[in-house]
Amino acid sequence: KAGVTQTPRYLIKTRGQQVTLSCSPISGHRSVSWYQQTPGQGLQFLFEYFSETQRNKGNFPGRFSGRQFSNSRSEMNVSTLELGDSALYLCASTSGGGTDTQYFGPGTRLTVL
Amino acid sequence: GESVGLHLPTLSVQEGDNSIINCAYSNSASDYFIWYKQESGKGPQFIIDIRSNMDKRQGQRVTVLLNKTVKHLSLQIAATQPGDSAVYFCAETPHGSARQLTFGSGTQLTVLP
Repeated sequence: KAGVTQTPRYLIKTRGQQVTLSCSPISGHRSVSWYQQTPGQGLQFLFEYFSETQRNKGNFPGRFSGRQFSNSRSEMNVSTLELGDSALYLCASTSGGGTDTQYFGPGTRLTVL
Repeated sequence: GESVGLHLPTLSVQEGDNSIINCAYSNSASDYFIWYKQESGKGPQFIIDIRSNMDKRQGQRVTVLLNKTVKHLSLQIAATQPGDSAVYFCAETPHGSARQLTFGSGTQLTVLP
């Protein structure tokens, strides 16, 4: 079974731009979660989608948004990029049940100049 | 606010020795705990999990101990190998399943030859 895939793997943007990151979960998985990883703040939960609905949301500004499609693929968008948005953005998937292991993708490394 | 933290940021052990990585959590409502391993350039990889109704759980070469009285979690790795060198994170959630995880700051484990 293929793992969680994220595209692109690396991205360079400038302040004020917007960016869209994509995540394809493991086949059959319906829950997709997004995390931001930085050296200063560590791994922080952004949001979780299940069956195309946002089920949980972390403490991030409204510039961070996401969505999930009917095939469970998910995208996250960051608008009006700031230097502090430079981070590794990780996507993780589970089947959505109560006893699942959460599998992470390799992440997208975003650099904001 | 609620947080999960680690006692030590770095740990060096001799190959073949046992490793113990500690983690403190503060959310008394947490009922599900997970240990992840992250190697350079990769996403976190699931190691082992434990629910709040258990004190100990064993896997292959790894054991997780949970002390709810003092809100402490530990990961024991037996016969540490060079391939165990990585950053180890504990994570917790009050949701009973692997979603909306709160991660600790991580411990860098280095295995010495």
